[in-house]
Amino acid sequence: KQEVTQIPAALSVPEGENLVLNCSFTDSAIYNLQWFRQDPGKGLTSLLLIQSSQREQTSGRLNASLDKSSGRSTLYIAASQPGDSATYLCAVFDGNKLVFGAGTILRVKS
Amino acid sequence: DTAVSQTPKYLVTQMGNDKSIKCEQNLGHDTMYWYKQDSKKFLKIMFSYNNKELIINETVPNRFSPKSPDKAHLNLHINSLELGDSAVYFCASSPPGRPFGGYTFGSGTRLTVV
Repeated sequence: KQEVTQIPAALSVPEGENLVLNCSFTDSAIYNLQWFRQDPGKGLTSLLLIQSSQREQTSGRLNASLDKSSGRSTLYIAASQPGDSATYLCAVFDGNKLVFGAGTILRVKS
Repeated sequence: DTAVSQTPKYLVTQMGNDKSIKCEQNLGHDTMYWYKQDSKKFLKIMFSYNNKELIINETVPNRFSPKSPDKAHLNLHINSLELGDSAVYFCASSPPGRPFGGYTFGSGTRLTVV
């Protein structure tokens, strides 16, 4: 059974810092991995999608990497801003469904 | 706007009632899903439909019955609501074909059972 773990559970940083969020999964037989952002009381916004054959994807200040063989992904956020404060969710697609981690709650202080 | 839309956004109801949540997507996707986000914010799959056919039913009580009249709609009907059903329910969809495309989520329905 696929399990997804995100570390840390919560993170508080001053504005301007670069930061890394970690995601690990137990079964490397995935088709893709998706990072989402969820603001309080809101839905999920897709940030980056990495196919299993890819190593990384970039969008603006965000960079996500995937090491399928070791079951790990990282989300790198450069020059963090208060507007980046949200919960970040990692999810892997096993061919039938997305399996989510519990998320990392990020707070960027101004 | 191309999107996954859910209604209602908020639903407050008494124990024992029956309620429905509607979901529609205009993205041309052929697979739709219902996810439940509990009080600890953990998201878990409930159902998935592909072209109106049930694909996944993840040990959800049979008080929950999904219905897909066509591939653009997936509704969720809940009978005899219980306090433990209080959660946020998200609808999502994904495109056909390979490589497997990413999911698009609706904005959620916050269900409160009192």
